Amino acid sequence: AQSVTQPDIHITVSEGASLELRCNYSYGATPYLFWYVQSPGQGLQLLLKYFSGDTLVQGIKGFEAEFKRSQSSFNLRKPSVHWSDAAEYFCAVGPFSGGYNKLIFGAGTRLAVHP
Amino acid sequence: DAGITQSPRHKVTETGTPVTLRCHQTENHRYMYWYRQDPGHGLRLIHYSYGVKDTDKGEVSDGYSVSRSKTEDFLLTLESATSSQTSVYFCAISESGQGVSYNEQFFGPGTRLTVL
Repeated sequence: AQSVTQPDIHITVSEGASLELRCNYSYGATPYLFWYVQSPGQGLQLLLKYFSGDTLVQGIKGFEAEFKRSQSSFNLRKPSVHWSDAAEYFCAVGPFSGGYNKLIFGAGTRLAVHP
Repeated sequence: DAGITQSPRHKVTETGTPVTLRCHQTENHRYMYWYRQDPGHGLRLIHYSYGVKDTDKGEVSDGYSVSRSKTEDFLLTLESATSSQTSVYFCAISESGQGVSYNEQFFGPGTRLTVL
């Protein structure tokens, strides 16, 4: 069955520290992979996406993610976190069975940033 | 930002009352989705639409119905609201086509619904 796991519910980092958010997926073929960010009270905004090609993908706001097929992972990274990065982050996989661009979302990782 | 609006943005209602949430898009995207977001569950798909008058169930469709009479509008109805339907509801849209760019979904700002 298709699924997405984000093992870390909450993560706290200090401002300026590096960040890695984990995402593992279960999918029968090569998936489309996405990371979204949700600031408090807001909708979801796409950070980056991957389907093929270079396994290191660059996104907005200085984020990058690396696709590792052997580990079924698509971890999100940022070398130096800013206080404004405090938000909830969701990993998503698609297309879901049946098509129509459906995605499966992980449960999310809430990031807190200490000054 | 994609042109997606949701109304109302906040609503408090009582158990047993009907509730309709509206999603309106100005992007002319073919696919539209309703999700609910609950702590620990991420986003779960309630219903989706793949064209005018074409809809189907998602993973948590019980207690919900939808309608899409125009490309730009997708309505979510709770026929008889229950406390378990207290949640934040998000609408999303996506363009039809092949490739990862077409699989991206754009999200509205959400509706916070409280059922007392």
